[in-house]
Amino acid sequence: AQSVAQPEDQVNVAEGNPLTVKCTYSVSGNPYLFWYVQYPNRGLQFLLKYITGDNLVKGSYGFEAEFNKSQTSFHLKKPSALVSDSALYFCAVRDADSGTYKYIFGTGTRLKVLA
Amino acid sequence: GAGVSQSPSNKVTEKGKDVELRCDPISGHTALYWYRQRLGQGLEFLIYFQGNSAPDKSGLPSDRFSAERTGESVSTLTIQRTQQEDSAVYLCASSLVTRDIQYFGAGTRLSVL
Repeated sequence: AQSVAQPEDQVNVAEGNPLTVKCTYSVSGNPYLFWYVQYPNRGLQFLLKYITGDNLVKGSYGFEAEFNKSQTSFHLKKPSALVSDSALYFCAVRDADSGTYKYIFGTGTRLKVLA
Repeated sequence: GAGVSQSPSNKVTEKGKDVELRCDPISGHTALYWYRQRLGQGLEFLIYFQGNSAPDKSGLPSDRFSAERTGESVSTLTIQRTQQEDSAVYLCASSLVTRDIQYFGAGTRLSVL
């Protein structure tokens, strides 16, 4: 069965510092991995995805994520955090070998960037 | 172009009543998803439609929940005999499966009193 774990409910970081939001996954086949962001009073928006290829994926708003197959992780990173990055972040996985387009989302991590 | 539209944006109902939530996906998107987001929790998969294939209903929590989709357009999620634990935000998303990116609506906030 597919599963996603986001071990931190909340991450606090000072503006200008690097940030990391953690995600680990479990699928029986090849993983397709995604990050979505939910800003206050707005719908979820796609940030980036890993399908195949380079393990470092770059996405919107300066975010990037690193796929690590041996550690089954897909951590979201940004070199320099902005106050406007404060939001709820969700990691999601799809089993590319399952024959379906069913996604499993993590429980979310609230990022708070302090000025 | 227009995004995913959900209605109503808010619904307050009494325990035991039936409710119907509507989702208008982005035109041309063959895949449509329903999720439930309880307060302070993550997204819980409910059901997924893809083209003319049989829907994946594996996430529906009970037989009180059902959903339909007309072709590749509007979908309705129906909750019968609502219970207080059904209170949540119900999110709809649509996708072109070739792009593997979901576009979410703003959600319907359901409150069962």
